[in-house]
Amino acid sequence: SQQGEEDPQALSIQEGENATMNCSYKTSINNLQWYRQNSGRGLVHLILIRSNEREKHSGRLRVTLDTSKKSSSLLITASRAADTASYFCATDENSGYALNFGKGTSLLVTP
Amino acid sequence: GAGVSQSPSNKVTEKGKDVELRCDPISGHTALYWYRQRLGQGLEFLIYFQGNSAPDKSGLPSDRFSAERTGESVSTLTIQRTQQEDSAVYLCASSSLDRGPGANVLTFGAGSRLTVL
Repeated sequence: SQQGEEDPQALSIQEGENATMNCSYKTSINNLQWYRQNSGRGLVHLILIRSNEREKHSGRLRVTLDTSKKSSSLLITASRAADTASYFCATDENSGYALNFGKGTSLLVTP
Repeated sequence: GAGVSQSPSNKVTEKGKDVELRCDPISGHTALYWYRQRLGQGLEFLIYFQGNSAPDKSGLPSDRFSAERTGESVSTLTIQRTQQEDSAVYLCASSSLDRGPGANVLTFGAGSRLTVL
C-alpha cells in the first residue's frame, strides 16, 4: 500500500535555485527515506532520517521530519541540471521491513 | 556482485504468454524486494524475501504472479498468462538489513521493462 504522498507532483526551476519537495504519510514510522530516480533507471538512496530526528543534512540536501504532522521535506540547494530526476519518499511501518513509496515529485532543472 | 542485476532489461511479449524476470541481488544481502512501477507512477510493492522465504506476499496482484528465491541469492518473478495491464517496469531491490528494522536502506536494480502487446 502506498503511504507517502509527495507534493508537488512536478516542479520546474532554474539552475541555482532551491527545490523543495514535501512528503506526507499516514501511520507511525521508524524512519523516512528519500530516493532519486533518473529517467529509465532504478532508484538511488539519498538520505535517511530516523523518527527521533528533526533535521538532517547531506551535501546540498536538507531533510526535515515532523512526526506530529506526519510530514517531511527535502530541500536541494543551489540546484544543477544534473539534479533533474524524480524524487520519492519512502516509509516503513514500525513492524515491517518493506518500504512504502509515494508517487514521486518530478523535478526539472533548466540551465 | 557490485550491484543488483536484473534481466532482461526489456521484454516484449504477447498477451497470454508467460514471462520470467530475474534478479541477482548484492552478494550477502539477505532481504530482496520486488516492486512494480507503471508509467509515470510510484512504486507498488509486490513481495519481500527474507532469505529464501517470503514473509510478505501481500502485494502480488493476482495468482498469475509468483516469485521464488533460491540459495539466498537469485530471485525469479514469474507472470503467467500476461495481460496488457501487466505492462510496467519491474524493479528488484536488496538490503543487508544490517541497520536493523529501523533503518532498511534498499539498493535497486535498473529494472525490467515489460511490454505486453
